[in-house]
Amino acid sequence: GAVVSQHPSRVICKSGTSVKIECRSLDFQATTMFWYRQFPKQSLMLMATSNEGSKATYEQGVEKDKFLINHASLTLSTLTVTSAHPEDSSFYICSATFESYEQYFGPGTRLTVT
Amino acid sequence: QKEVEQNSGPLSVPEGAIASLNCTYSDRGSQSFFWYRQYSGKSPELIMFIYSNGDKEDGRFTAQLNKASQYVSLLIRDSQPSDSATYLCAVHQGGSEKLVFGKGTKLTVNP
Repeated sequence: GAVVSQHPSRVICKSGTSVKIECRSLDFQATTMFWYRQFPKQSLMLMATSNEGSKATYEQGVEKDKFLINHASLTLSTLTVTSAHPEDSSFYICSATFESYEQYFGPGTRLTVT
Repeated sequence: QKEVEQNSGPLSVPEGAIASLNCTYSDRGSQSFFWYRQYSGKSPELIMFIYSNGDKEDGRFTAQLNKASQYVSLLIRDSQPSDSATYLCAVHQGGSEKLVFGKGTKLTVNP
């Protein structure tokens, strides 16, 4: 149980374009989903917390107009990186919880902006 | 700023030995503690969680929690080369749903 998927697993895009990443909980309904970013050899950095049907809560320093989060259902959250630039290249990982504090992570999406 | 501290390592142990990973946290209100394993290029995988003082065992893994000392550890018995990874300690931040992660300890198990 507690399987979380992400799509795509890898994406390359040109500078200035937007990229959408999907996060799905496959076998449970996620009350909360989280979006993280991880640069090489660094730890996870929480970007935002997302609850179904409400606006995401962004961490300090994360631009909400650049990283759009939509949590349309209890099994799906999306992160859209708008007007991507090379410095946005990173490993983006979502996680989900269900009425507890254990977070189950998706496999991650590696974004490369050229 | 609530913090979770881990020795970054690398920690190197021979195959079959016990690997001991340590973590301290600053928020005395923390109630839930987690250990994640992250292989290079992959996302974190939950290994264990512990809520109460004392030891919790699951197979070759034992988590130990001492809330008075604000200390949590993970012991890996009979270490295998496949245990080589970065181990992340995470603490549930009181009053929110968020986890605060340490920077991780890189473990290498030598055959």
